[in-house]
Amino acid sequence: DVKVTQSSRYLVKRTGEKVFLECVQDMDHENMFWYRQDPGLGLRLIYFSYDVKMKEKGDIPEGYSVSREKKERFSLILESASTNQTSMYLCASAGGDRDNSPLHFGNGTRLTVT
Amino acid sequence: GDSVTQMEGPVTLSEEAFLTINCTYTATGYPSLFWYVQYPGEGLQLLLKATKADDKGSNKGFEATYRKETTSFHLEKGSVQVSDSAVYFCALGRGSYIPTFGRGTSLIVHP
Repeated sequence: DVKVTQSSRYLVKRTGEKVFLECVQDMDHENMFWYRQDPGLGLRLIYFSYDVKMKEKGDIPEGYSVSREKKERFSLILESASTNQTSMYLCASAGGDRDNSPLHFGNGTRLTVT
Repeated sequence: GDSVTQMEGPVTLSEEAFLTINCTYTATGYPSLFWYVQYPGEGLQLLLKATKADDKGSNKGFEATYRKETTSFHLEKGSVQVSDSAVYFCALGRGSYIPTFGRGTSLIVHP
């Protein structure tokens, strides 16, 4: 089974802090994703990466950046955390079949910015 | 562009009731269709999928049939359990690694 591991389940940070959310997958997947999940808004894609050192903006990239230095690891960075970034963050990975590969999700990081 | 519409929740049922969660989609061509489930405190996990018209995906007693003529992929289960309480997401994938998700439907099953 694919395992996607997010380093923290809960984080509390202060406004203005730089925040790192880490995600590691163990199935050699090319594709990795960061989503945020908010009540009533469903899942919104922040960034995705289809290869090492490659990244593409999703629907809501403002205020975020990402890093993918190794194939198994995809980091989400909040350069200066703000209260409107309080949310559940979900990392996912997927294999190489564009049409049929499902996403495999981690258990999420619930971030609170105070 | 592609889109997925799910019925609004929450859906509240008693144990052993029949479940239907509606999902319709808009897309050109023939996307693959997925149902994901998110249990409390967890990430999403794949529940079932179908890759072409008339395919039926099934898992854990849940079923969904890919209906091209009605552009639908409704999720059904004959007898729900309390442990099925979760949020269910319909999604489509086509020509891109990025699926299009519905907003999710919360299911609450009472004993």
